[in-house]
Amino acid sequence: SQKIEQNSEALNIQEGKTATLTCNYTNYSPAYLQWYRQDPGRGPVFLLLIRENEKEKRKERLKVTFDTTLKQSLFHITASQPADSATYLCALDDTGFQKLVFGTGTRLLVSP
Amino acid sequence: DVKVTQSSRYLVKRTGEKVFLECVQDMDHENMFWYRQDPGLGLRLIYFSYDVKMKEKGDIPEGYSVSREKKERFSLILESASTNQTSMYLCASSLGHGGDYGYTFGSGTRLTVV
Repeated sequence: SQKIEQNSEALNIQEGKTATLTCNYTNYSPAYLQWYRQDPGRGPVFLLLIRENEKEKRKERLKVTFDTTLKQSLFHITASQPADSATYLCALDDTGFQKLVFGTGTRLLVSP
Repeated sequence: DVKVTQSSRYLVKRTGEKVFLECVQDMDHENMFWYRQDPGLGLRLIYFSYDVKMKEKGDIPEGYSVSREKKERFSLILESASTNQTSMYLCASSLGHGGDYGYTFGSGTRLTVV
């Protein structure tokens, strides 16, 4: 069956450290993978998109990698801050069905 | 600043009522989506529309219908609300409907059916 897996346990890190979140998928062949941030009670906010022919994408303190062999994307936040505390969702396109499918998200807690 | 606006943040409705959730976007996007989000299940696609008067079923369309009479407005209708439709409902819009563009989401409507 098709699955998108993100760690359901919260990730707790100290301010200033690098946070690394994982997104694994099974039985999908996405051309694109996206990452979103979601704060409690709010809608997700789009952060980054990476294409299957791109290994890595950066935006300010954010870095995303996409390994189609491992079927995995890693999302890094460098020099993390308490304001980065949120739930982070990965999403990929369900090729042929023209829709975006979301993982359940990983909660990140950055303590001062 | 581009926006997707959902008409209500919180709604409480009775079982059997017909419920309308409204969504308006100001970005001239052709593609609009309705998701529901439940703990442990993530976001699940209910319906989407890639043009005015066009609609496509998502993964969980049962008990829902949609209307897209104007490009900027996409409405979700619960024909006869049931308690298992208590959820957070999220509307989104995008330039594309695959994964080639990011989605812009509204703030969500938390619907409680009693």
